Amino acid sequence: GIQVEQSPPDLILQEGANSTLRCNFSDSVNNLQWFHQNPWGQLINLFYIPSGTKQNGRLSATTVATERYSLLYISSSQTTDSGVYFCAAHGEIKIQGAQKLVFGQGTRLTINP
Amino acid sequence: ETGVTQTPRHLVMGMTNKKSLKCEQHLGHNAMYWYKQSAKKPLELMFVYNFKEQTENNSVPSRFSPECPNSSHLFLHLHTLQPEDSALYLCASSLRGGFYEQYFGPGTRLTVT
Repeated sequence: GIQVEQSPPDLILQEGANSTLRCNFSDSVNNLQWFHQNPWGQLINLFYIPSGTKQNGRLSATTVATERYSLLYISSSQTTDSGVYFCAAHGEIKIQGAQKLVFGQGTRLTINP
Repeated sequence: ETGVTQTPRHLVMGMTNKKSLKCEQHLGHNAMYWYKQSAKKPLELMFVYNFKEQTENNSVPSRFSPECPNSSHLFLHLHTLQPEDSALYLCASSLRGGFYEQYFGPGTRLTVT
């Protein structure tokens, strides 16, 4: 099955810095999602991005499906951006239409004031 | 607030207890999912229901028993669990079971003593 790898595993930055998180996937994917998991465990949807580039405020994401990677950019980081960022890829389709969303290990981002 | 609610948020149970986790989605979706997140492991898909039919059982032990009475509600019945089953259990939903964006609930943090 598909494998999803994220880098770096940990990232510590000062408030105001910019960051780039990377997600590589092993096979063709039909879609890709980025999530932010807050300290209470809630997974918050950031982007649903099969290809191309999307922007939402200080966050943007780019997926290059042909090269099997996606990038999440965070600009002007704030302490509230701290948490774990996951990418997840939709893999092979199943007979009855359901398919697995396979998660990477996550990048733990810490923004210091 | 993602439109997916889970109760209880925290649960402590003994190995001989029987308990149930509840998930409800208010998004008009037709596919619902249970995921398990253990410490230092990626999120693992446990079960998928698509239009109330179970389409995926990811080799989950029988001490976990899912129930999906309708497209808006999903339960996970727990009995004779082991301490290694302690984890964050996350429910998700999507429009259908295909390549659609998944939305997650806040999770139930389960501790088995």
